[in-house]
Amino acid sequence: GQQVMQIPQYQHVQEGEDFTTYCNSSTTLSNIQWYKQRPGGHPVFLIQLVKSGEVKKQKRLTFQFGEAKKNSSLHITATQTTDVGTYFCAGRSSGSARQLTFGSGTQLTVLP
Amino acid sequence: EAQVTQNPRYLITVTGKKLTVTCSQNMNHEYMSWYRQDPGLGLRQIYYSMNVEVTDKGDVPEGYKVSRKEKRNFPLILESPSPNQTSLYFCASSDQGGNYEQYFGPGTRLTVT
Repeated sequence: GQQVMQIPQYQHVQEGEDFTTYCNSSTTLSNIQWYKQRPGGHPVFLIQLVKSGEVKKQKRLTFQFGEAKKNSSLHITATQTTDVGTYFCAGRSSGSARQLTFGSGTQLTVLP
Repeated sequence: EAQVTQNPRYLITVTGKKLTVTCSQNMNHEYMSWYRQDPGLGLRQIYYSMNVEVTDKGDVPEGYKVSRKEKRNFPLILESPSPNQTSLYFCASSDQGGNYEQYFGPGTRLTVT
């Protein structure tokens, strides 16, 4: 079945440093979503990417979808303590429009 | 307020005692789904439903049942819980057949002893 690998599993950064998490899928994706889960909370939708090579920005967050639609990344510029949480990617296979496969997540700690 | 609710939020039970976790959404979404979250494994889909009376297995359906008799409700049933079902469970709903953002409930932390 479809697998979505996400790295790194953990990342500790000093406040103000940049952060990047990467997702790789074993199959071509029709779209990919990103979610953020604060400690003790539930996943909250950040964005969805659909097009090959797509790049979207939300303030300090930059999301990319690979040309082959098999990988994606989330980059945070100048992290803040409010960025703390676990970031998940979730891919939908081209062959199955209904099932969403989540990566294992990257837990971000921001040290003040 | 648009939301997904789950009950109970916390549950400790014993092996073999049937239980149901309820999930309800007030956004008229067609698509609903159940996930379990375990450390290092992310969110794994248990079952999903495209609409009333339409359900399908996700990646880890063994030991679980679901039903979708009404659009707003999607209960998760554990007929004979076992310790390996100890986990954090999330219900989610989405519009447009799941092709848009998923709204997650607050989660249910289940412990099976």
